Amino acid sequence: GQQLNQSPQSMFIQEGEDVSMNCTSSSIFNTWLWYKQDPGEGPVLLIALYKAGELTSNGRLTAQFGITRKDSFLNISASIPSDVGIYFCAGGSNFGNEKLTFGTGTRLTIIP
Amino acid sequence: EPEVTQTPSHQVTQMGQEVILRCVPISNHLYFYWYRQILGQKVEFLVSFYNNEISEKSEIFDDQFSVERPDGSNFTLKIRSTKLEDSAMYFCASKQASYQPQHFGDGTRLSIL
Repeated sequence: GQQLNQSPQSMFIQEGEDVSMNCTSSSIFNTWLWYKQDPGEGPVLLIALYKAGELTSNGRLTAQFGITRKDSFLNISASIPSDVGIYFCAGGSNFGNEKLTFGTGTRLTIIP
Repeated sequence: EPEVTQTPSHQVTQMGQEVILRCVPISNHLYFYWYRQILGQKVEFLVSFYNNEISEKSEIFDDQFSVERPDGSNFTLKIRSTKLEDSAMYFCASKQASYQPQHFGDGTRLSIL
């Protein structure tokens, strides 16, 4: 099946630092989404991308849909304590019913 | 803001028993999904449902699994005879239309003893 490689697996940063994480795949995806998951909760949508090359921001978050359609990155600027959690990328294969293939996740920890 | 609601939040069941996980998708959404997440692992697709039928299912979704939309608001996942390896978080998701993102519920933690 399709695999999404997400890196880094974990990050330890200080409050105020910028964060960058990415996902790569050997397969093409038609949509890329980024979700955040807090312990005991479901994935919460951060950003959705639908066009190759698209760059979209949501507050301090910026994500891009790679031009090859095989990768995406998420940047968080000026991190704050509530950014702590696990970030997942997800790729969609076809429009309409699209199932999502999730990445392995990036665990973000903020060091006081 | 409207949200996907799942019940129960935690279900403990004996191996071999049937279990039904319930979801109320966002009211004007037309596409429905079940995913699962084994502890510490990534989220995995189980099944998608549209227009009152299954659109796609994964290898995990074998004959022991079934889904139903019994009325205009509920979407259920049934596991007929549970196994130890069915222990996981099960997430329901829904979306309004194509080119719209999927929104997830907070999940049901299923523990098989």
